[in-house]
Amino acid sequence: EAEVAQSPRYKITEKSQAVAFWCDPISGHATLYWYRQILGQGPELLVQFQDESVVDDSQLPKDRFSAERLKGVDSTLKIQPAELGDSAMYLCASSLDDGASRVEQYFGPGTRLTVT
Amino acid sequence: AQKITQTQPGMFVQEKEAVTLDCTYDTSDQSYGLFWYKQPSSGEMIFLIYQGSYDEQNATEGRYSLNFQKARKSANLVISASQLGDSAMYFCAMTGRGSTLGRLYFGRGTQLTVWP
Repeated sequence: EAEVAQSPRYKITEKSQAVAFWCDPISGHATLYWYRQILGQGPELLVQFQDESVVDDSQLPKDRFSAERLKGVDSTLKIQPAELGDSAMYLCASSLDDGASRVEQYFGPGTRLTVT
Repeated sequence: AQKITQTQPGMFVQEKEAVTLDCTYDTSDQSYGLFWYKQPSSGEMIFLIYQGSYDEQNATEGRYSLNFQKARKSANLVISASQLGDSAMYFCAMTGRGSTLGRLYFGRGTQLTVWP
């Protein structure tokens, strides 16, 4: 069964350092999402891509976060510089968006970031 | 904007008993989707069940059923015959319409503990 891949699974970094996460969605899925989940809360959308275009990045802290999906397939989320408050689980999800009313998202295993 | 409220931080149920996890939502959209996800301690989000706003029948998926009361804007998850492996965080989520169709708005979650 096809899965969303993410790496690394765990990352520990010092504040002010740069960190990057990678996501490979299910083949053929045009829509890709990055969510951030702070401990004890539900995930919140950071950025949504449709193919290589950003659809929604209104909640992305653009002074330190950047995201790209250059060829409309895999995606990278970068934080520079990392702050203590960035410690969270970063989840990637993808969906087919074939015009059906149900838009099910498939999630990857997540990257758990700890900033020290 | 969409809003999901889960008022139960934690729930306890004995193995083989049924349990209901509460979810209320707020939206001005006429068309929307409601989802429940399970998140074990390992972190991945596992899709459980979906209900469309125009679906007249309550959704069921194996031991999971969704008690959808549109007028009350509630979408409670019922787990029948609980198993020890059901112990996890459970998140209610919804989608809306527009350019961000497909993005999920999550509640804060309910931690379910199943005891023998």
